[in-house]
Amino acid sequence: AQSVTQPDIHITVSEGASLELRCNYSYGATPYLFWYVQSPGQGLQLLLKYFSGDTLVQGIKGFEAEFKRSQSSFNLRKPSVHWSDAAEYFCAVGAIPNFGNEKLTFGTGTRLTIIP
Amino acid sequence: DARVTQTPRHKVTEMGQEVTMRCQPILGHNTVFWYRQTMMQGLELLAYFRNRAPLDDSGMPKDRFSAEMPDATLATLKIQPSEPRDSAVYFCASGLATGGANYGYTFGSGTRLTVV
Repeated sequence: AQSVTQPDIHITVSEGASLELRCNYSYGATPYLFWYVQSPGQGLQLLLKYFSGDTLVQGIKGFEAEFKRSQSSFNLRKPSVHWSDAAEYFCAVGAIPNFGNEKLTFGTGTRLTIIP
Repeated sequence: DARVTQTPRHKVTEMGQEVTMRCQPILGHNTVFWYRQTMMQGLELLAYFRNRAPLDDSGMPKDRFSAEMPDATLATLKIQPSEPRDSAVYFCASGLATGGANYGYTFGSGTRLTVV
């Protein structure tokens, strides 16, 4: 069974500081990996995704993530956070679609607070 | 930008009443998911469809929940009878999965359901 662990429930970062959100996954084959962001009262917005190829992927809003197969990790990073980045961040893993079961399994989320 | 539209945004109902939530996926997307989000359980997959056919509804309580796609532009999630424990935010997501590639899923803004 596939699973995702986000070890940090809540992280507080100063505006302008760098950010790294951790994500570890469990999946028996090559995974599809995603990071979504959710602002209060809103739906989930896709930040970036990894399928194959370059293990460092760039996303929207200045975010990037690095896939490390040996560590089963897909950590999200941003060099300098802005107050508008305060939100809940979800990592997700899914199967390669072959018209079978490809549901996304989400982690429990990391709430990011930005302080001035 | 193309959006997934969910209606209603908010719904308050009495226990025992029928609730229907609707989702208009992005035109051309062939995959539709229903997720439920609660503080205790996080994001749980209820059901998903490919080309309007249900592929997995194992996360859905079958005795009271039903999900359908009457046509390619409408997905519905129905609860009958509703119970207080069904109070949650219900998200619909759509995406395009073809040829082994998953292009990521777009989430709607959700329906916040309160059962009193």
